[in-house]
Amino acid sequence: AQSVTQLDSQVPVFEEAPVELRCNYSSSVSVYLFWYVQYPNQGLQLLLKYLSGSTLVESINGFEAEFNKSQTSFHLRKPSVHISDTAEYFCAVIPRVFSGGYNKLIFGAGTRLAVHP
Amino acid sequence: GAGVSQSPSNKVTEKGKDVELRCDPISGHTALYWYRQSLGQGLEFLIYFQGNSAPDKSGLPSDRFSAERTGGSVSTLTIQRTQQEDSAVYLCASSLLGLSYEQYFGPGTRLTVT
Repeated sequence: AQSVTQLDSQVPVFEEAPVELRCNYSSSVSVYLFWYVQYPNQGLQLLLKYLSGSTLVESINGFEAEFNKSQTSFHLRKPSVHISDTAEYFCAVIPRVFSGGYNKLIFGAGTRLAVHP
Repeated sequence: GAGVSQSPSNKVTEKGKDVELRCDPISGHTALYWYRQSLGQGLEFLIYFQGNSAPDKSGLPSDRFSAERTGGSVSTLTIQRTQQEDSAVYLCASSLLGLSYEQYFGPGTRLTVT
């Protein structure tokens, strides 16, 4: 079975400050890793994902995450946040098992990022 | 193109009533998922449809919940004899079968059981 732990339920930060949202997972098999973002009153959007290759992945709006296999982590970082980054961020995994394309997401509890002026 | 749409956006119902929630996936997407987002339980998988294969119902919390997908497109999630603990946002997602593993989510239906 798989589980995802997001260590911080809320992260307040000032605008232009750096931020790190932590994510750890537990799994008996290898996993694919995702970060989804949910802006207020909107649906979930994929922010970035790690499937294979370089362990550092980046999004188009300045976020990055690094897969660390030994620590089973996939922390999300941004060097300078904006007010518009205020949202809830969900870390998720899909187990790397053959299932005919089946890919149920297993989510963490979410981290609410609040960016203050 | 059009994204995943869900209706209604909000639904208030009395305890014991049945409700139907609808999801229109992105055209051409072969897989459709239902998730539930609630304060106590976070984001939970409910059910998955893939083409003509039997759906994976392993996430449905009780036999009051059921879902169908007609013609490989639109899906309806039905909750019978609603309870207050069913209050949540019900999210639908769709994806293409393949190696991208990206799921596209709809805006959700907020269900409130009074």
